[in-house]
Amino acid sequence: DAGVIQSPRHEVTEMGQEVTLRCKPISGHNSLFWYRQTMMRGLELLIYFNNNVPIDDSGMPEDRFSAKMPNASFSTLKIQPSEPRDSAVYFCASRGWGGQETQYFGPGTRLLVL
Amino acid sequence: AQTVTQSQPEMSVQEAETVTLSCTYDTSESDYYLFWYKQPPSRQMILVIRQEAYKQQNATENRFSVNFQKAAKSFSLKISDSQLGDAAMYFCAYRSPNRDDKIIFGKGTRLHILP
Repeated sequence: DAGVIQSPRHEVTEMGQEVTLRCKPISGHNSLFWYRQTMMRGLELLIYFNNNVPIDDSGMPEDRFSAKMPNASFSTLKIQPSEPRDSAVYFCASRGWGGQETQYFGPGTRLLVL
Repeated sequence: AQTVTQSQPEMSVQEAETVTLSCTYDTSESDYYLFWYKQPPSRQMILVIRQEAYKQQNATENRFSVNFQKAAKSFSLKISDSQLGDAAMYFCAYRSPNRDDKIIFGKGTRLHILP
């Protein structure tokens, strides 16, 4: 069974460009999470969805960040315009619906904004 | 609000020795789940072990085991026979059983394995 799939695995872009990160959760999972990890701030939850509906986006740093989940098998995190301080590893994770379910992480996207 | 505290930012252990990573948490709930995740240099977040609060028996996965002390709100991870591949950042995490709740992560402990 495939795990959480993220693309691209690495992204290098220039300041001001739009960046789109993609995530495919584990089939059958109902919750999806986007995290950002940096040396300075550690692991931060940006936003999460239950059944494709955003539940908590309080971690989204500013309006330049947006996330969508148009269906149960796909989500995007978009940064427009990107800035050097957005450089980080971005993780997607998914979890089944039951309260006892375990959360599984994707391999992450390493983003570098020059 | 629930919090998770890992008081050891870094630890080192000699290869083949045993090491224990500490984690404490704060909650008013009686039922919840606790996790240890491992993040090696590849950055992949890997679930190591999980404990249900209603279970008195400590969870074990091969060389990894936990010491779950519910009254003390303590959840330490013991790694036996440490191997070079165990070098990683280890995150302790808490989650309530409510379906809409998110996982609360500690700040992590970086474990070094000395050959």
